[in-house]
Amino acid sequence: DAGVIQSPRHEVTEMGQEVTLRCKPISGHNSLFWYRQTMMRGLELLIYFNNNVPIDDSGMPEDRFSAKMPNASFSTLKIQPSEPRDSAVYFCASGGLAGRAQYFGPGTRLLVL
Amino acid sequence: GENVEQHPSTLSVQEGDSAVIKCTYSDSASNYFPWYKQELGKRPQLIIDIRSNVGEKKDQRIAVTLNKTAKHFSLHITETQPEDSAVYFCAASIKDGNQFYFGTGTSLTVIP
Repeated sequence: DAGVIQSPRHEVTEMGQEVTLRCKPISGHNSLFWYRQTMMRGLELLIYFNNNVPIDDSGMPEDRFSAKMPNASFSTLKIQPSEPRDSAVYFCASGGLAGRAQYFGPGTRLLVL
Repeated sequence: GENVEQHPSTLSVQEGDSAVIKCTYSDSASNYFPWYKQELGKRPQLIIDIRSNVGEKKDQRIAVTLNKTAKHFSLHITETQPEDSAVYFCAASIKDGNQFYFGTGTSLTVIP
């Protein structure tokens, strides 16, 4: 099993540009989570999906952030337009049934200049 | 919703000593408690978990204890080694829920 796959691993962009982060969950997992990690705010849940349906997006900072899961094997997190305060490590995680472990991808390190 | 508090935020121990990290949770409906280890620049990785029907679980040098009455759970690392140095996160998940509520992390340093 390849585990959770994220791309790109690093992204440097300029303020105002659109950023798209990608995630492939572990095959067979029906839940997918997007987290953001910074020194100041720790690990924050942005949004999660169950069976490709968004369940809770209350953690999404503002309308500049959007996430989709068009099928069971792919999800995107988009920031448009990006701002320097969006600089962080973005993790995708997937999990199986409720009450089971989540497995994290390697993360995308985003730097917005 | 659930609120998970984690203490201490930093912990330094001598190699070979034990380390204990404690977490409390607020929602009595929580029934699954995983612990993650995150090394510098790496992803959080699951190291051990416990369910509410169990009071203790061990895996080699790592153990987790759960007190449902007091709503707290702890991670115990014995015979610590320098490679145990990392940030450790606890989490709680409510019964039938997928969302994890994470603690704020404990930075453990094992001094050789």
